[in-house]
Amino acid sequence: NAGVTQTPKFRVLKTGQSMTLLCAQDMNHEYMYWYRQDPGMGLRLIHYSVGEGTTAKGEVPDGYNVSRLKKQNFLLGLESAAPSQTSVYFCASSLSNRDRQFFGPGTRLTVL
Amino acid sequence: DQQVKQNSPSLSVQEGRISILNCDYTNSMFDYFLWYKKYPAEGPTFLISISSIKDKNEDGRFTVFLNKSAKHLSLHIVPSQPGDSAVYFCAAIYTGNQFYFGTGTSLTVIP
Repeated sequence: NAGVTQTPKFRVLKTGQSMTLLCAQDMNHEYMYWYRQDPGMGLRLIHYSVGEGTTAKGEVPDGYNVSRLKKQNFLLGLESAAPSQTSVYFCASSLSNRDRQFFGPGTRLTVL
Repeated sequence: DQQVKQNSPSLSVQEGRISILNCDYTNSMFDYFLWYKKYPAEGPTFLISISSIKDKNEDGRFTVFLNKSAKHLSLHIVPSQPGDSAVYFCAAIYTGNQFYFGTGTSLTVIP
């Protein structure tokens, strides 16, 4: 089992560019999450999904969109990147909303 | 507004001694708490959890204590080992689908 994988591991964007981060899990989990981690801020929830075809906003959703077309994949999109979106992004999955979450290794994104 | 706070950004402990990591929360509705451990360049991994109906939960060298009246959570690691050096996050949930994470405490265990 690979667990939770994230693609890419690193990316540098220019302001205004777009990109998609891919998260995949092989544990048949219903719940999937996207977080960002910034110095002194901990992990903040961007969007989450409670099942295939569903998405919902978290604590800091502005500037991001997500899609969950397949149960195992959760995509995070930045339509027009801004320097404030420079961060480390973590994807996670869990069996239920109160279960432990399994995290991917993270994507380090820099927006210039 | 940070609902879960870890006021100590860092902590250093001698190998073999006890490490105590603290977490405070503001929302009295939180009823389930978790601790995660994170090594550099890796994602967080689950360590231990506690429900609000309990005040203590143990798993090997790790014990979590919950003081609901003080809205305080602590993680004890005994004995501390160099491999425990990592960033530790506490997280809390009360309803819905969102865990609220603290800002993390970086633990260094000195051999």
